[in-house]
Amino acid sequence: KNEVEQSPQNLTAQEGEFITINCSYSVGISALHWLQQHPGGGIVSLFMLSSGKKKHGRLIATINIQEKHSSLHITASHPRDSAVYICAVGGGSQGNLIFGKGTKLSVKP
Amino acid sequence: DAGVTQSPTHLIKTRGQQVTLRCSPKSGHDTVSWYQQALGQGPQFIFQYYEEEERQRGNFPDRFSGHQFPNYSSELNVNALWLGDSALYLCASTLNARGTGVGEQYFGPGTRLTVT
Repeated sequence: KNEVEQSPQNLTAQEGEFITINCSYSVGISALHWLQQHPGGGIVSLFMLSSGKKKHGRLIATINIQEKHSSLHITASHPRDSAVYICAVGGGSQGNLIFGKGTKLSVKP
Repeated sequence: DAGVTQSPTHLIKTRGQQVTLRCSPKSGHDTVSWYQQALGQGPQFIFQYYEEEERQRGNFPDRFSGHQFPNYSSELNVNALWLGDSALYLCASTLNARGTGVGEQYFGPGTRLTVT
């Protein structure tokens, strides 16, 4: 079993829909990251959170440390949101991040 | 303020050759991590450099080595390339991570390596 599991693996939505991507992890962490990767490879950090909830524009990220679960929500989705969304965790004395396999989101106009 | 930069953007090498990839961290960052991302997979941690030393290492063979310079820039070297080394190589920098994994990591655009 992978240490970081994301669901769904693939997601297709219509423009304007509310989107949720889930991430569960099995290791102790000090922070969880949500990343966005567009075709071509570049990764952009969306959120780093260790508790509660963060919001940036139409993006909302939540984390429940006790349940080892995080969600990324996109409100009023737009075709430009189409990308791979990756959950990654970093913990304790580990400097590295452990990544999920990503969720490929496609938003249709 | 320049973010993380990597060079080259694309590279094609032949099996058995050696390759060097370069990374310049975001201004003010002192810690550089390298990741390998195979097609369709999440990135895998290779190693992290801080204060010019390898601080942590993932499950990669000794063919993968690195270096960090006094200006915090870093190189990733891969010797005796295999076909399986074909991947996107990502560099990420952090401020004062000191191996804690707490700092927010800023990623470069990656170098796509193809081994034929």
